[in-house]
This record gives sequence, C-alpha cells and structure tokens, in this order.
Amino acid sequence: EVQLVESGGGLVQPGGSLRLSCAASGFTFSSYEMNWVRQAPGKGLEWVSYISSSGSSLYYADSLKGRFTISRDNAKNSLFLQMNSLRAEDTAVYYCARDGNPSYSSGWFDFWGQGTLVTVSS
Amino acid sequence: DIQMTQSPSSLSASVGDRVTITCRASQSISSYLSWYQQKPGKAPKLLIYGASSLQSGVPSRFSGSGSGTDFTLTISSLQPEDFATYYCQQTYSTPVGFGQGTKVEIK
Repeated sequence: EVQLVESGGGLVQPGGSLRLSCAASGFTFSSYEMNWVRQAPGKGLEWVSYISSSGSSLYYADSLKGRFTISRDNAKNSLFLQMNSLRAEDTAVYYCARDGNPSYSSGWFDFWGQGTLVTVSS
Repeated sequence: DIQMTQSPSSLSASVGDRVTITCRASQSISSYLSWYQQKPGKAPKLLIYGASSLQSGVPSRFSGSGSGTDFTLTISSLQPEDFATYYCQQTYSTPVGFGQGTKVEIK
C-alpha cells in the first residue's frame, strides 16, 4: 500500500524556518518524481515545488522567491521541504504528492499524504 | 503562467442528479487536464487525468471530457459520498496550476 506521511509542521514566528519531511512507503520511491502542494485555510490548492526522481531537477512556484528548498533522500525514502524567511501568507496545510507516472513526468498527482499544518504567527 | 477558471464556484444538487463542472484554461493545454475531489479535512483524490482517463478505483459515474481550453467533469448520478470540492489542474506546463474549486453541496 502506498503511503506518504508528512511531519515537521507547527507554529513558527514570521521570519523563522521550518523543515518538512515526507516519509514514503509501499512503492519504489527512487523511481517517482515528487511534489509539495499547499492549501491555506479555507482556500484552494497551490503547487509549491517539484523534484525529479534523481533529485537533479527542481522547480518552484514563483511566489516563493527563493525561500524554499526541496530535496530528497532516496536511500531513506524521504522527501523534504526547507522553508526559510516564513511569512504569514505561508500558513497552510502542506501536502507531499507523488507524480502519477514513473516513466515520464505526468504532472498529475496520484497519491497524497495527509498533510502537515504550518502556522506562521507571532 | 496558465490560469485555470472553474465554474460554477459552488452548486447545490440532489442525490441522483447529473452534475457538470466546467474548467477553462487561459491558453490551449491540449488534453493535459486532471480533476481532483477533496472532502473536508482530507487530502485531494485524483479522479481523472489526461482530460478523460479514469483513475483506477474511481467509480464510472465520474467522467471527463474536453481539449484545448474547455473541459468538463460530469457526475452522471450524484451519490451522497460525492458531496465535496472539485479542482481541475493543468499539467501542460510548469507551474502546474489548479482551478479555484467547485463546491458541490446538498440541495
């Protein structure tokens, strides 16, 4: 059974940092591209970042302006999101999501974690 | 960036109704369109990819159609478990953007 379990969320002050993790199981993690998607309270879905299966290609939403860094450890079946210079508008549930096809970059997400809440507030 | 616009933003329907949700892209995205269902407090669930391909395990009452800029998600006979928010997503180019969502409520 495919499982994605996020952790690392919590309350952080504006300007602070947080590192999210996503533990993957039930599939060959190293074969799949991965993404982070966030959802502010009561709002819609916003794609945040993408990483290729090898970790060599990275993409980010323009709105992040270089504050976030995605990475992965294929030996530990784990995905990460380092978030720096956090702002109130980064408050959201953050989901890790698996790309739908191991053979090519499909762009759709067939499995999602349960999400971890990040609250940026003083 | 490609903008995705869904309509309506919300709708009220009864069990057994046929429901149609529309998604429009700001430029042609061929068939690179996916649909998701999200229930309160839960992660989104993939329903449709490639505009019309049904994800494994999704009931056949869900269907998708369209290409270019205009797409639809149809639920042929609304069931109680289908009351949720639905999002379209373009997968044509990065950033892969989502529509603003359509909330399907009980009439």
